[in-house]
Amino acid sequence: EAQLLESGGGLVQPGGSLRLSCAASGFTFSSYAMNWVRQVPGKGLEWVSGISGSGGGTYYADSVKGRFTISRDNSKNTLYLQMNSLRAEDTAVYYCAKDPDFVLVTRLDVWGQGTTVTVSS
Amino acid sequence: QSVLTQPPSASGTPGQRVSISCSGSSSNIGRNTVNWYQQLPGTAPKLLIYSINQRPSGVPDRFSGSKSGTSASLAISGLQSEDEADYYCAAWDDSLNGYVFGTGTKVTVL
Repeated sequence: EAQLLESGGGLVQPGGSLRLSCAASGFTFSSYAMNWVRQVPGKGLEWVSGISGSGGGTYYADSVKGRFTISRDNSKNTLYLQMNSLRAEDTAVYYCAKDPDFVLVTRLDVWGQGTTVTVSS
Repeated sequence: QSVLTQPPSASGTPGQRVSISCSGSSSNIGRNTVNWYQQLPGTAPKLLIYSINQRPSGVPDRFSGSKSGTSASLAISGLQSEDEADYYCAAWDDSLNGYVFGTGTKVTVL
């Protein structure tokens, strides 16, 4: 059974940095694109970033472009999200999600349980 | 600010049919496939419908999807109490070069 487990969330000051991790198991990690999606508590879903199976293609929402970097280590079956210059509006639950396609976002068929990021002084 | 618009709420009594609309544009729904996600209270989202009208294994056939032009719809027939959740449409947007979610619809079973 495919499973995703996020970690790395926490409290950080505005302007600070944080790196999220997502450990994958139960499937051939390198064969699939991966994504980060966030949700402000009580609000809707927002796609943040996606990366192809090889790591060669990356995509970002305009709201995080230039501040966040998505990456993956296929030898460790792990997805990352490096978040810099954090703002209060980045406060959210961050989910990692698997795509059944190798390259682009087609659909998100497996989701982790989420990790909470709070940006506050 | 989402580019896919959904009604904030929908409701029905057990056994009724409920329909949720998702309005987009030519750069997203108009040229790409549509997916629907269900988020039960306090849980992570779950893929409910993909490629407009396909159900992943385990999703009851009470759930169905359709698309016409730049809009899509999710229908729940034979509404059950366990269907009470938030529902989101989503699609790739060629102009934004990103994946966009709808504003979300909260379904209440009366």
